Amino acid sequence: AQSVTQLGSHVSVSEGALVLLRCNYSSSVPPYLFWYVQYPNQGLQLLLKYTSAATLVKGINGFEAEFKKSETSFHLTKPSAHMRDAAEYFCAVSLSGNTPLVFGKGTRLSVIA
Amino acid sequence: GAVVSQHPSWVICKSGTSVKIECRSLDFQATTMFWYRQFPKQSLMLMATSNEGSKATYEQGVEKDKFLINHASLTLSTLTVTSAHPEDSSFYICSADGLAPDTQYFGPGTRLTVL
Repeated sequence: AQSVTQLGSHVSVSEGALVLLRCNYSSSVPPYLFWYVQYPNQGLQLLLKYTSAATLVKGINGFEAEFKKSETSFHLTKPSAHMRDAAEYFCAVSLSGNTPLVFGKGTRLSVIA
Repeated sequence: GAVVSQHPSWVICKSGTSVKIECRSLDFQATTMFWYRQFPKQSLMLMATSNEGSKATYEQGVEKDKFLINHASLTLSTLTVTSAHPEDSSFYICSADGLAPDTQYFGPGTRLTVL
């Protein structure tokens, strides 16, 4: 069975500061890993995905994540936070790209001016 | 880019009535569609996997007679909540694959409120 743990249900950063959202996974097979962002009352938008290629994955809006097998982690980072980054972020794992996703509980990112 | 739509985006109904939610892939054919449910301030939980022309596969604990899924074509899947009750109030989100490898595209969600 697969699972995802997101450390910190709420992260608050100042505008311009580093964003770090943590995600650890558990999977019996090499995983596919995803980060999605959800704005209020909207669906999910894919930020980036890891599918066994490069371990450092660059996504949209300046976000990137690094797959570390030894740490079973896939943390999301952004060098400089913008107000528009305030949203809910979900880490997810799946067996492949077209199998159901198992989501973490989400981390709400607040950006303080 | 790929677009998945859902209709309606918001519905309020009385307890005991049935509600149908549509999920459409607008510019690609979706071999598989997934239905998720999200309660307030919680994560998404998979309800069922739907393949065109075959019966949906439901997750454990999801009542298949209550949440009817029909995947009539490669661009349309419907979720019908039958005899809805207040505890069914939730945000229902569908996703579809079949365009880019290893990628699911999510619809904007449908907010269901049962009075």
